[in-house]
Amino acid sequence: AQSVTQPDIHITVSEGASLELRCNYSYGATPYLFWYVQSPGQGLQLLLKYFSGDTLVQGIKGFEAEFKRSQSSFNLRKPSVHWSDAAEYFCAVGTTGGGNKLTFGTGTQLKVEL
Amino acid sequence: KAGVTQTPRYLIKTRGQQVTLSCSPISGHRSVSWYQQTPGQGLQFLFEYFSETQRNKGNFPGRFSGRQFSNSRSEMNVSTLELGDSALYLCASSRSHPSASGANVLTFGAGSRLTVL
Repeated sequence: AQSVTQPDIHITVSEGASLELRCNYSYGATPYLFWYVQSPGQGLQLLLKYFSGDTLVQGIKGFEAEFKRSQSSFNLRKPSVHWSDAAEYFCAVGTTGGGNKLTFGTGTQLKVEL
Repeated sequence: KAGVTQTPRYLIKTRGQQVTLSCSPISGHRSVSWYQQTPGQGLQFLFEYFSETQRNKGNFPGRFSGRQFSNSRSEMNVSTLELGDSALYLCASSRSHPSASGANVLTFGAGSRLTVL
């Protein structure tokens, strides 16, 4: 069965600093990878996805992520964090034949210091 | 373009009662999935529907059920509520058929927050 690990439960960064959120997955075949963001009291918003092709994917709000098969990782990055980026971030994996069932990581809570 | 609409947004029930949550997908989306989000277990897949048929089911007891109507709207029901059912229930819709792959992009609603007392 597939799994996703987000090793950082909480991360605090200063506004304007760079950000990297870690995500490691476990799946025997080529995964479909997603990053979602959730603001308090809201649902999940898709930031970006990786299905195939270029391993560096660009998303909304200036986020990008890099798929590294050798490391089973899909880390999310942003060069300069804004206070409005404070939220919880979830990495998720979908599988071939898995339909719309995503397996999510436990999330990383991002705090931005002004 | 309207997003995924979930009703009610908040509700409080007592143990033993049952609850029905509703989800209206994005227009043109025929696939609806449900997820449960709790602080302890995180986000867990409940089930998904396409063309009024359940296509996939997560590891939840039979108290959790759902259905989809011909207009793609979906409802989920939880019977004999337990304290542990307190959660945010998220609905997501997708244009694609769920059987082909896991590469379908899901659009989530804001959720229905259920509190069981």
